[in-house]
Amino acid sequence: DQQVKQNSPSLSVQEGRISILNCDYTNSMFDYFLWYKKYPAEGPTFLISISSIKDKNEDGRFTVFLNKSAKHLSLHIVPSQPGDSAVYFCAASGNFGNEKLTFGTGTRLTIIP
Amino acid sequence: DAGITQSPRHKVTETGTPVTLRCHQTENHRYMYWYRQDPGHGLRLIHYSYGVKDTDKGEVSDGYSVSRSKTEDFLLTLESATSSQTSVYFCAISAGGNGYTFGSGTRLTVV
Repeated sequence: DQQVKQNSPSLSVQEGRISILNCDYTNSMFDYFLWYKKYPAEGPTFLISISSIKDKNEDGRFTVFLNKSAKHLSLHIVPSQPGDSAVYFCAASGNFGNEKLTFGTGTRLTIIP
Repeated sequence: DAGITQSPRHKVTETGTPVTLRCHQTENHRYMYWYRQDPGHGLRLIHYSYGVKDTDKGEVSDGYSVSRSKTEDFLLTLESATSSQTSVYFCAISAGGNGYTFGSGTRLTVV
């Protein structure tokens, strides 16, 4: 049973526009959420995280929004750049990040120049 | 990053043979994990370790075993490789609470 879901396998966005990646979860015990970015032939790298005590966290061009009532989070990238083309994984954990991570299936983002 | 390395990077093996993948860290982190990445499934946890000789199963542990005799090394063994175990395997380390650092992966093909 997939507890973390990314329903869009792929997304294409024009360079300079906003990219919005979505993630849904079913386990109400999750209270810490992360986004990872993965390039081909490399391991995933940490991008940004958010705790359930917040509903928004920003880091430069990246913003993560959390809607706990809907069990939904999203990653906004603005403006999108060609180097953002990668696979993005959403992940969730309990105990404020002290438990093992459960990952989503990933969304392949392609930025069109 | 140099803090975590996986070996080999690529391997082709025959069905029914045992295979061991190695993960080595220099960060002295307590937690180590093995994931596999497959299309349509994302990253799925195979086994993890929370200390030397302390390991536990993840969601897709059947056909795999692990060992951790030293803090820095976490070995994943496919006891008798099958074609369904063709995948990309990632090791990750964590100090707890702040997400994971992943290795570069091992691409395993079982023929």
